[in-house]
Amino acid sequence: SQQGEEDPQALSIQEGENATMNCSYKTSINNLQWYRQNSGRGLVHLILIRSNEREKHSGRLRVTLDTSKKSSSLLITASRAADTASYFCATDATAGGTSYGKLTFGQGTILTVHP
Amino acid sequence: EAQVTQNPRYLITVTGKKLTVTCSQNMNHEYMSWYRQDPGLGLRQIYYSMNVEVTDKGDVPEGYKVSRKEKRNFPLILESPSPNQTSLYFCATRNTGFYGYTFGSGTRLTVV
Repeated sequence: SQQGEEDPQALSIQEGENATMNCSYKTSINNLQWYRQNSGRGLVHLILIRSNEREKHSGRLRVTLDTSKKSSSLLITASRAADTASYFCATDATAGGTSYGKLTFGQGTILTVHP
Repeated sequence: EAQVTQNPRYLITVTGKKLTVTCSQNMNHEYMSWYRQDPGLGLRQIYYSMNVEVTDKGDVPEGYKVSRKEKRNFPLILESPSPNQTSLYFCATRNTGFYGYTFGSGTRLTVV
């Protein structure tokens, strides 16, 4: 079963605008990760946020995590055409604070950035 | 260069003919796992391994086997492939601790 659910399923914006994607999950997590996938290619790890963190930045990316609501958001600022891709959240489940080593993905958000 | 290498990239085979998709990593990572990606179903974990000789089932293990005899290799074996195993397969690895996974480039398998 899919742990993470992304929202929206598809997002279309103009270059320079910000893009926000949301993810919800159901069980306790060790950490939450975001990945990018260009059409049919391998996934690329973008950013990881631990369960005890609330916000994290990496370049133009900002991730927030609200464990009380079991949700996360990914913000891409000043988007570029090259950001066009599918974005997935993935949760790393935990048992007593230790990772299972089992990553569960959401369905993804397809982001299209128009030049 | 740190990488995860999957072979083959593309494979068309017939129902019932045993096949192996190889995955090799040069990063000395502890964790390795296999995923399949299907339209409308997203990425689903098939098997994962937390170390040599330690493997466990993911969400969709039926019809697949794996082995982890050495740290760098984690082959995915389809003993008797069926058309419903037509999919895009990814191998992924990570080190212990709070790290993201490194994915291979994928294997597109078609079973006819």
